[in-house]
Amino acid sequence: DAGVTQSPTHLIKTRGQQVTLRCSPKSGHDTVSWYQQALGQGPQFIFQYYEEEERQRGNFPDRFSGHQFPNYSSELNVNALLLGDSALYLCASSLSLAGVTGELFFGEGSRLTVL
Amino acid sequence: QKEVEQNSGPLSVPEGAIASLNCTYSDRGSQSFFWYRQYSGKSPELIMFIYSNGDKEDGRFTAQLNKASQYVSLLIRDSQPSDSATYLCAVNKGSGSARQLTFGSGTQLTVLP
Repeated sequence: DAGVTQSPTHLIKTRGQQVTLRCSPKSGHDTVSWYQQALGQGPQFIFQYYEEEERQRGNFPDRFSGHQFPNYSSELNVNALLLGDSALYLCASSLSLAGVTGELFFGEGSRLTVL
Repeated sequence: QKEVEQNSGPLSVPEGAIASLNCTYSDRGSQSFFWYRQYSGKSPELIMFIYSNGDKEDGRFTAQLNKASQYVSLLIRDSQPSDSATYLCAVNKGSGSARQLTFGSGTQLTVLP
């Protein structure tokens, strides 16, 4: 049973560029959340997708956008990259029916470096 | 005040000792609470969740929740060198199944052989 898979694992961009990160949720999961983890910090919630719609959003600017596809996979797009966007981007999947105690499974992350 | 605060580390304990990790949260409406372990360079993995006041035990791990004091803790008994990692406390802010976890900054634990 494949877990949460993310791609690419590492990437380097320059300021002002755009990046797209991809995530395939754990089999059977229908909800995908994205988190940003800066070095030495805990993950910060970016947004969550369910039924191809953004259901909740954290305190991130509109430069951060996403999409969920009919097969539940998801993309995170970041435009006009800033140096401060350098971080580990984590995708997490869950099952909506599992409720508040349902486990959130994290992928291994995409490490973005902005130069 | 941060929404989720963890005791500042790093924390070092000898092998076989009890490691105590603490966390406080500011939102009284928070419903469920999670402890994640994150090894260096890896993604967080769930250790335990708790949503009722009191203690919850799972093997060497015990989570404690006191909603009146807005306090969550994790005890690791018989600590092993393999327990050396960063431990993240997370609180569910979302309603129903729309979970939005707010994480603390983590406490780095080192278990000395």
